[in-house]
Amino acid sequence: GAGVSQSPSNKVTEKGKDVELRCDPISGHTALYWYRQSLGQGLEFLIYFQGNSAPDKSGLPSDRFSAERTGGSVSTLTIQRTQQEDSAVYLCASLRDTRSNYGYTFGSGTRLTVV
Amino acid sequence: AQSVTQLDSHVSVSEGTPVLLRCNYSSSYSPSLFWYVQHPNKGLQLLLKYTSAATLVKGINGFEAEFKKSETSFHLTKPSAHMSDAAEYFCVVSTQNTPLVFGKGTRLSVIA
Repeated sequence: GAGVSQSPSNKVTEKGKDVELRCDPISGHTALYWYRQSLGQGLEFLIYFQGNSAPDKSGLPSDRFSAERTGGSVSTLTIQRTQQEDSAVYLCASLRDTRSNYGYTFGSGTRLTVV
Repeated sequence: AQSVTQLDSHVSVSEGTPVLLRCNYSSSYSPSLFWYVQHPNKGLQLLLKYTSAATLVKGINGFEAEFKKSETSFHLTKPSAHMSDAAEYFCVVSTQNTPLVFGKGTRLSVIA
């Protein structure tokens, strides 16, 4: 598609439930990143995928968070047993080529509210 | 390791006056530096980027930033603020093959 697509745009869930957030990157972009933006904070790096390499999971805040990328395209971020502190906007970005720092494109995000 | 410090969490200017948003960075390697803007309920938009070419970088909507290695700064400026510039601005640093590292953001308010 023309841009990075994220779904759902908004998600309200009860504490303790699992949620899945989806990211559709730009076709042909080899790298995909997940970030989290909490109220009044900058963006916090969570995880990134580059081609067929093992993902860099160094930013995941706990083992309740996981992500996968199927077929080098669509990615799903899963949060298990959600907590209120997980409430944030989750942003996905794709990049054509990590050999340069050009061309990061961000999606509009998924606003997650845990009640 | 890399880090970014945005020196002001909130800046307020009158319409038609200059804008200055300050950013200092720390990086072990030659960094790439970016400014992104985020309007309310909108996605992040790239304003400009520095990648070791000219130290004065011109971006969209009349914004520009100057890379000063000696001061480890990358301040964002605009000669004359417009109401539509009101938004959150993020200074970002990266080196090759590393994720972007964001500052905490500066909220710009423009007063009529």
